[in-house]
Amino acid sequence: GQNIDQPTEMTATEGAIVQINCTYQTSGFNGLFWYQQHAGEAPTFLSYNVLDGLEEKGRFSSFLSRSKGYSYLLLKELQMKDSASYLCAVMRYGNNRLAFGKGNQVVVIP
Amino acid sequence: EAQVTQNPRYLITVTGKKLTVTCSQNMNHEYMSWYRQDPGLGLRQIYYSMNVEVTDKGDVPEGYKVSRKEKRNFPLILESPSPNQTSLYFCASSSPGQGASEAFFGQGTRLTVV
Repeated sequence: GQNIDQPTEMTATEGAIVQINCTYQTSGFNGLFWYQQHAGEAPTFLSYNVLDGLEEKGRFSSFLSRSKGYSYLLLKELQMKDSASYLCAVMRYGNNRLAFGKGNQVVVIP
Repeated sequence: EAQVTQNPRYLITVTGKKLTVTCSQNMNHEYMSWYRQDPGLGLRQIYYSMNVEVTDKGDVPEGYKVSRKEKRNFPLILESPSPNQTSLYFCASSSPGQGASEAFFGQGTRLTVV
């Protein structure tokens, strides 16, 4: 089975940096995805890691350590529109099923 | 425009009245899934399909059926809806065989069963 753990909520100030952590346990790891979801809307893709290390995409970066079963998403230069839930999802090798964490709600304040 | 289209967006129905939520994608993706999202529980997979005529149960399949007769369509069927199926439903598609293929999600269907 898969077990994915994320903290539930955090508040940060506009312009700041926030780090969202995700720990997981799974058999047959085939990659980890980060999605952003605004309330009532569809999740949208942010980043993907399958090898250890840091992937950078503009203001967003994602890190993976497979040996530790750990990933984080780093959001820099926070903007009000970044207020959303951030979901980490682990893909399982073979059937390519995605298992999602419960999401971390980020609230950006002026 | 590449997209996943779900219909309807909102639906209120009564217990026991069969309903179908449609899902269609125009990206020629092999892989399609249905999820439900409930407060405090996150996104949970109901069913998935790796290709035409190939479907399998996800984590919460009870009370649901699916079919995959064509590559682009993956309808979700509730034969006899019950109040505990009140939820926000998302369809998603992807092409995992092409390396890092992220899932594209439909806009969601908010279902209320009374």
